[in-house]
Amino acid sequence: GNSVTQMEGPVTLSEEAFLTINCTYTATGYPSLFWYVQYPGEGLQLLLKATKADDKGSNKGFEATYRKETTSFHLEKGSVQVSDSAVYFCALASNYQLIWGAGTKLIIKP
Amino acid sequence: NAGVTQTPKFQVLKTGQSMTLQCAQDMNHNSMYWYRQDPGMGLRLIYYSASEGTTDKGEVPNGYNVSRLNKREFSLRLESAAPSQTSVYFCASSVTGQPYEQYFGPGTRLTVT
Repeated sequence: GNSVTQMEGPVTLSEEAFLTINCTYTATGYPSLFWYVQYPGEGLQLLLKATKADDKGSNKGFEATYRKETTSFHLEKGSVQVSDSAVYFCALASNYQLIWGAGTKLIIKP
Repeated sequence: NAGVTQTPKFQVLKTGQSMTLQCAQDMNHNSMYWYRQDPGMGLRLIYYSASEGTTDKGEVPNGYNVSRLNKREFSLRLESAAPSQTSVYFCASSVTGQPYEQYFGPGTRLTVT
């Protein structure tokens, strides 16, 4: 079946560091892929998406490229801020439902 | 515009007790969802409602019931709570035709002792 695997956290970085959070998937075909973010004490919110292979989704300085060769959708940001501290979830679209990764907690230290 | 609201925010139940989690959205969305979030497991879909008057099981429906009261409201009921239902519960909604772009409520943290 379809599944999403994310790197385990927590990931701890200093402010202005480069961020990569790995996400790989197993799926039939080329499903749409998503990153959601959950800030402390809040519900999840959509961060970015990519609907086909080689698409790049971007929002708030974050980027992720849909790579079918490596079945990956890694999340990147060039310079993180303390306010980026949150839990990040990778997800794929499957039969009108989202299949979720386990989430990666990101901690940014000033 | 409050988005998706959930009540209560926190709840402690004893094994065997029942309760209903309430969810409402004011975005005129047709589809609504209930998830549970457990450490290290991401989100798992309990039930969803593609439109008013319809409900369908998700990945983990056992022990739960739902009611789509109207277009705005979608409630989740635990008839006889068990410790395994200790979790954070999220309600979400989406526009018809965009089921993967979901808007989430702030969650209900439920503890069953």
